[in-house]
Amino acid sequence: AQSVTQPDIHITVSEGASLELRCNYSYGATPYLFWYVQSPGQGLQLLLKYFSGDTLVQGIKGFEAEFKRSQSSFNLRKPSVHWSDAAEYFCAVVVSGNTPLVFGKGTRLSVIA
Amino acid sequence: GEEVAQTPKHLVRGEGQKAKLYCAPIKGHSYVFWYQQVLKNEFKFLISFQNENVFDETGMPKERFSAKCLPNSPCSLEIQATKLEDSAVYFCASSHPERVWQGAKEAFFGQGTRLTVV
Repeated sequence: AQSVTQPDIHITVSEGASLELRCNYSYGATPYLFWYVQSPGQGLQLLLKYFSGDTLVQGIKGFEAEFKRSQSSFNLRKPSVHWSDAAEYFCAVVVSGNTPLVFGKGTRLSVIA
Repeated sequence: GEEVAQTPKHLVRGEGQKAKLYCAPIKGHSYVFWYQQVLKNEFKFLISFQNENVFDETGMPKERFSAKCLPNSPCSLEIQATKLEDSAVYFCASSHPERVWQGAKEAFFGQGTRLTVV
């Protein structure tokens, strides 16, 4: 069965600093990959997705992610973090057809002045 | 509608009471998924529908939980005789049939229903 690992439970960065959130997946082939953000008390918002093609994908709010097949990774990055980026970030995969999303356990991002 | 609408936003039930949650998928989306988010982190898949037919119910607890998606009505998730451990945020998501068929799936999530069992 496929699985998603987000090794960092909690990350704190200074406002304006760069950010990288890690995501590794376990699956025999390339799944479809997603990053979602969940602000406190809110639903899930899709930041970006990778289906195929260019391995560097751009998303909303200045986020990008790079798919690396050799490392089974799909890390999320942002060059300059804003205080409003403080939230919980979830990496998720779906393999094909009508299978449900499999989520990582999330990384909580705190932003300090 | 243009977004997945979940009602109510918050629901408080005493242990043993029934809870019923509703989800209106995006118009034209024929796949609906229910997820349970416990402890603010872990997402557990419960059940999916293709139109009004159950598609995958492997995550559904055998007892107390049931779900329906009837034509011209919001989908529903019902918990009979709630327990403290049912306290969670329940998310509904819908996806477009064409995209699912092509093997690429983008699920659109509702804002969730926070169920608190006291």
